[in-house]
Amino acid sequence: AQSVTQPDIHITVSEGASLELRCNYSYGATPYLFWYVQSPGQGLQLLLKYFSGDTLVQGIKGFEAEFKRSQSSFNLRKPSVHWSDAAEYFCAVGVKELGSQGNLIFGKGTKLSVKP
Amino acid sequence: DGGITQSPKYLFRKEGQNVTLSCEQNLNHDAMYWYRQDPGQGLRLIYYSQIVNDFQKGDIAEGYSVSREKKESFPLTVTSAQKNPTAFYLCASSIGRLAGGNEQFFGPGTRLTVL
Repeated sequence: AQSVTQPDIHITVSEGASLELRCNYSYGATPYLFWYVQSPGQGLQLLLKYFSGDTLVQGIKGFEAEFKRSQSSFNLRKPSVHWSDAAEYFCAVGVKELGSQGNLIFGKGTKLSVKP
Repeated sequence: DGGITQSPKYLFRKEGQNVTLSCEQNLNHDAMYWYRQDPGQGLRLIYYSQIVNDFQKGDIAEGYSVSREKKESFPLTVTSAQKNPTAFYLCASSIGRLAGGNEQFFGPGTRLTVL
């Protein structure tokens, strides 16, 4: 069965430091991969997505992610974190099977705290 | 502006009562989704609809019901059969059936509390 694992429940970084959030997936074929961000009490906003092609994907707010097929990973990175980046981040894989294509399977999320 | 609206933002209900959460989109999307979010659990799919007048159960459909009579609307009813309904509920939509490649757009959510 398809699954998404985000190994880190909570990460704290200092403002201005670099950030990497980990995501591993289990999927038989080349996946569609997504990163979303959620501020407290709000809906989810798409940061970036990978469908095919270049394995380094650029997103909004200065985020990027790299698809590594050999490691079944899609880690999210940002070179310099801002206090406004404090939020919860979700990795997701898109389902391709007939009948449920278009559905997303989400990881359990990583909460990011930013120290001044 | 196009988007997804959910109402109300906060909802309180007594045990044993059914309650309906509203979700409306003006993005002209074919597909709509309902998720439940609990702390530390991520998003779990309740129901989804890929086309008007059709919907499918997700992973945790027990105690919930939906309808899809209009393309723009996908209301969720939390019934008295749902054992632990207190949660944050998110509605989403996407363009259609393109195999897994569709970005889902999310509403702002409804927080349901059972008193």
